[in-house]
Amino acid sequence: GAVVSQHPSWVICKSGTSVKIECRSLDFQATTMFWYRQFPKQSLMLMATSNEGSKATYEQGVEKDKFLINHASLTLSTLTVTSAHPEDSSFYICSARPGGSYNEQFFGPGTRLTVL
Amino acid sequence: DAKTTQPNSMESNEEEPVHLPCNHSTISGTDYIHWYRQLPSQGPEYVIHGLTSNVNNRMASLAIAEDRKSSTLILHRATLRDAAVYYCILRDVGGANNLFFGTGTRLTVIP
Repeated sequence: GAVVSQHPSWVICKSGTSVKIECRSLDFQATTMFWYRQFPKQSLMLMATSNEGSKATYEQGVEKDKFLINHASLTLSTLTVTSAHPEDSSFYICSARPGGSYNEQFFGPGTRLTVL
Repeated sequence: DAKTTQPNSMESNEEEPVHLPCNHSTISGTDYIHWYRQLPSQGPEYVIHGLTSNVNNRMASLAIAEDRKSSTLILHRATLRDAAVYYCILRDVGGANNLFFGTGTRLTVIP
């Protein structure tokens, strides 16, 4: 089956630093990638959608200057949390949709970010 | 986006069938019904999806009401590995085609 990987699986950083999370589709090309955030005991919240080679579309209430998304290739998207603060601590999950597919979407294992 | 309503939690005994309900009374004609599940500290996993007809795959069955205003995910024999949060999601392939997660149903499987 289609595999989506994320790196790192967890990261701890100091307040004010920036953190980059990578998302890769390992065995398919993903024209569209998604980033979600999940706080403890809550559901996933869609943060943004990105298409390869174009700017990401952010959901309402998500700061695009704080959460920088780059979808530079058909197999790689990155999320950079800039100037991270403790309230940014969360479980970040990426997802990828194969090119030409309307219904398939595969999720990565998630990255747990802890900001001290 | 059309909303879904699911019970917050359900319990099942191991090796017994489980029926997880989902109400989606405002479903539109272009909405597909998707089910995902999320095991603790993992990303969601696709389970099944359908439009109008009932669907079966190796993981589960999806029973869709004739008026499409509700559906039921059926796990034929629950195992301890099936303990997870199950999300019923409507996906509008005619629109943004994004997956928006609701609160889901937390399934506990009792040995």
